[in-house]
Amino acid sequence: DTGVSQNPRHKITKRGQNVTFRCDPISEHNRLYWYRQTLGQGPEFLTYFQNEAQLEKSRLLSDRFSAERPKGSFSTLEIQRTEQGDSAMYLCASSLSQGTGNTIYFGEGSWLTVV
Amino acid sequence: AQKITQTQPGMFVQEKEAVTLDCTYDTSDPSYGLFWYKQPSSGEMIFLIYQGSYDQQNATEGRYSLNFQKARKSANLVISASQLGDSAMYFCAMRANTGNQFYFGTGTSLTVIP
Repeated sequence: DTGVSQNPRHKITKRGQNVTFRCDPISEHNRLYWYRQTLGQGPEFLTYFQNEAQLEKSRLLSDRFSAERPKGSFSTLEIQRTEQGDSAMYLCASSLSQGTGNTIYFGEGSWLTVV
Repeated sequence: AQKITQTQPGMFVQEKEAVTLDCTYDTSDPSYGLFWYKQPSSGEMIFLIYQGSYDQQNATEGRYSLNFQKARKSANLVISASQLGDSAMYFCAMRANTGNQFYFGTGTSLTVIP
């Protein structure tokens, strides 16, 4: 399977704990995106990387959130001191960098439940 | 700023009939792309179809077609010959040439009735 891969698929954590999600993009894609989706809403942009550089971050990405893509391949999204409001699905996507027509392809998402 | 509006929270269609899901957008960028994604209950966002702002013809992909009306800033998705497996959430999205984000609408829940 050469699609976008995310793990874990599901995570239940206690409030205050840290969680980390991993994303492996499609191999030839140099752009990687993180989105958050809550029930009844469309995906909301969090951040994106071009190769290893984090080029844009949303205001939604508080200082408890950090994302890395150290070698320009896989990426991690860490949430520190989780809050119940962090419960959502975290979607990773990847694309080629140039052109408005370059579709982003999503992974299956990582569901986070904070109890 | 870019904005996508989907005004139909839920739609029902009889199996084998066609259905149109509405999408309007707002952007000041002359170059942009419009996309539709399907999200089944499993959660994965599945790419369906793409339309470029300068494309002269409406995009088609199998049973999916995009009714692009640039002057009205609308990009409606038409699904022909609906199947039970088409039941899912459908999201319209836009990417402007000057930006890097994809902006999504709030989605339309489609239910296909046997």
